[in-house]
Amino acid sequence: AQSVAQPEDQVNVAEGNPLTVKCTYSVSGNPYLFWYVQYPNRGLQFLLKYITGDNLVKGSYGFEAEFNKSQTSFHLKKPSALVSDSALYFCAVRDPLGRSQGNLIFGKGTKLSVKP
Amino acid sequence: GAVVSQHPSRVICKSGTSVKIECRSLDFQATTMFWYRQFPKQSLMLMATSNEGSKATYEQGVEKDKFLINHASLTLSTLTVTSAHPEDSSFYICSAGQGARLGNQPQHFGDGTRLSIL
Repeated sequence: AQSVAQPEDQVNVAEGNPLTVKCTYSVSGNPYLFWYVQYPNRGLQFLLKYITGDNLVKGSYGFEAEFNKSQTSFHLKKPSALVSDSALYFCAVRDPLGRSQGNLIFGKGTKLSVKP
Repeated sequence: GAVVSQHPSRVICKSGTSVKIECRSLDFQATTMFWYRQFPKQSLMLMATSNEGSKATYEQGVEKDKFLINHASLTLSTLTVTSAHPEDSSFYICSAGQGARLGNQPQHFGDGTRLSIL
């Protein structure tokens, strides 16, 4: 079965420090991977996606993610965190064979807290 | 581009009331729309998937007579919570995508509707 795991409920980072939000997946074949961010009482905003090609994907707001096939991971990173990055982050995967009508399978989310 | 508008953003109503939530894709044609429910501090739970012009596919455990979904056009889907009760209080989020099965395209999300049933 397809699944996504975000092992950390919360990540705390000081402003200016690098941040990493972890994600691992389990999907047959080569997955489509996504990261979304959710601010309080808002929907999800798309940050970036991995389809194929370069393992380092660059996205919105200075975020990037590294795809590692051998470790089945897609960790979200940013070199220098901002207080405004504090939010809930979701990793998601889509079955590349389209067996679920294109629905995204989400991790449980990781709350990122960036302190000044 | 790829803006999804969800309305209303917040609803407070009495038990027994039916509530309709609209989801519109403003600048693209949404072949597929998804409806999610999110409980506090939890991930999104998919309720149903709808394709324009056909009946919605509901996830296991979701009552289709309770949560009526209509996807009458390529830019509009509605979710009606019929005879809502306090346990239906939640944050409902819609999402839209282009193309069958969406492939490698991201889904675009509305800003959600906070439903509170008194």
